[in-house]
Amino acid sequence: IQLTQSPSLLSASVGDRVTLSCKGSQNINNYLAWYQQKLGEAPKLLIYNTNSLQTGIPSRFSGSGSGTDYTLTISSLQPEDVATYFCYQYNNGWTFGGGTKLELK
Amino acid sequence: QVQLKESGPGLVQPSETLSLTCTVSGFSLTSYSVSWVRQPSGKGPEWMGRMWYDGDTAYNSALKSRLSISRDTSKNQVFLKMNSLQTDDTGTYYCTRDRTEGPDYWGQGVMVTVSS
Repeated sequence: IQLTQSPSLLSASVGDRVTLSCKGSQNINNYLAWYQQKLGEAPKLLIYNTNSLQTGIPSRFSGSGSGTDYTLTISSLQPEDVATYFCYQYNNGWTFGGGTKLELK
Repeated sequence: QVQLKESGPGLVQPSETLSLTCTVSGFSLTSYSVSWVRQPSGKGPEWMGRMWYDGDTAYNSALKSRLSISRDTSKNQVFLKMNSLQTDDTGTYYCTRDRTEGPDYWGQGVMVTVSS
């Protein structure tokens, strides 16, 4: 399964509601996770099983979706959320998306 | 606490073999699976392969002919060997602890450059 993330670059202001998209080439059956990667660091698990928040992750992060289309939402963007975000599917094999880079406007 | 640490050479000659070691602590290799994931600079990660908790292995079909993953449970280590390296194998290589829902802990990564 191939994952396509959009947009590749997103500029937003502090406090904005931000939505990132991940589309699969086949049905993912909700076996989708989201990772945050800050510059020079390893990726960090945010969301798994489409909408389950990993322990310790702020509640402003949420996930949704079904079938082939999934979304990561940040309800109120904070400066520390500047990072690249990757989706990851584990329904059929294991693949990552190409990422969305989130920057402050 | 859960920790993973990759080690290995930072520079590999084209056509040579890459050997990396992942040393883990805070969990048992017979209870959790460990994957290798690589990431070219500025690009998305690529899942390479997995050592299952029961000793079985799984490989990315695109790498399967060049890749081997093994382990030594007595030393809490997982090994990666990949042959016939080319310049597009350059990137950061991570080992990860896997749950069913995906990697939950990552090592710091090791940068590997393929160059003569």
